[in-house]
Amino acid sequence: EPEVTQTPSHQVTQMGQEVILRCVPISNHLYFYWYRQILGQKVEFLVSFYNNEISEKSEIFDDQFSVERPDGSNFTLKIRSTKLEDSAMYFCASNPQGNQPQHFGDGTRLSIL
Amino acid sequence: GEDVEQSLFLSVREGDSSVINCTYTDSSSTYLYWYKQEPGAGLQLLTYIFSNMDMKQDQRLTVLLNKKDKHLSLRIADTQTGDSAIYFCAETNDYKLSFGAGTTVTVRA
Repeated sequence: EPEVTQTPSHQVTQMGQEVILRCVPISNHLYFYWYRQILGQKVEFLVSFYNNEISEKSEIFDDQFSVERPDGSNFTLKIRSTKLEDSAMYFCASNPQGNQPQHFGDGTRLSIL
Repeated sequence: GEDVEQSLFLSVREGDSSVINCTYTDSSSTYLYWYKQEPGAGLQLLTYIFSNMDMKQDQRLTVLLNKKDKHLSLRIADTQTGDSAIYFCAETNDYKLSFGAGTTVTVRA
């Protein structure tokens, strides 16, 4: 069964550095998402992306965050200048249409030192 | 904003049924979901229900939806040790998902 894949599985970065998290959504899916889960807290929506543009973003998704679909398969989340509070598990998800179930990757654990 | 609440822990004996409950506040939710997360793994879609349904059965899983009370439940029949995980309830009405905090289910022998 097709899967959403995320790399790396664990990323350790110094505070203030830029980080790029990568995702390969399921190939025939058109809608892409990023969520994050801070340890011990709820999974929170960050951003949705369709037709090469952001369709919705949360308050968390400030100017430090950006998303991109650089080619036909990858979907990336960039954090420009990381802060300690960015430490979390970041999940990518995709679905064929926006109102269909979202399929999640295994996540990238981001640790900011 | 949308709020989804779940009890945090459930302990169940192997072979018994598990029932995980969830309440939500958004009356315009269109779909409600159950996801399973095993240690170190991602969110696995277990099942979902459209808001105009009140029940859905899929093998050992039964989802009940009481839209009037905004209450969703997941029943797992004949619970096995492999069912030990965190179970997340989620709702959506506009593509993005709002999650509960997750219920940690522990299956004891």
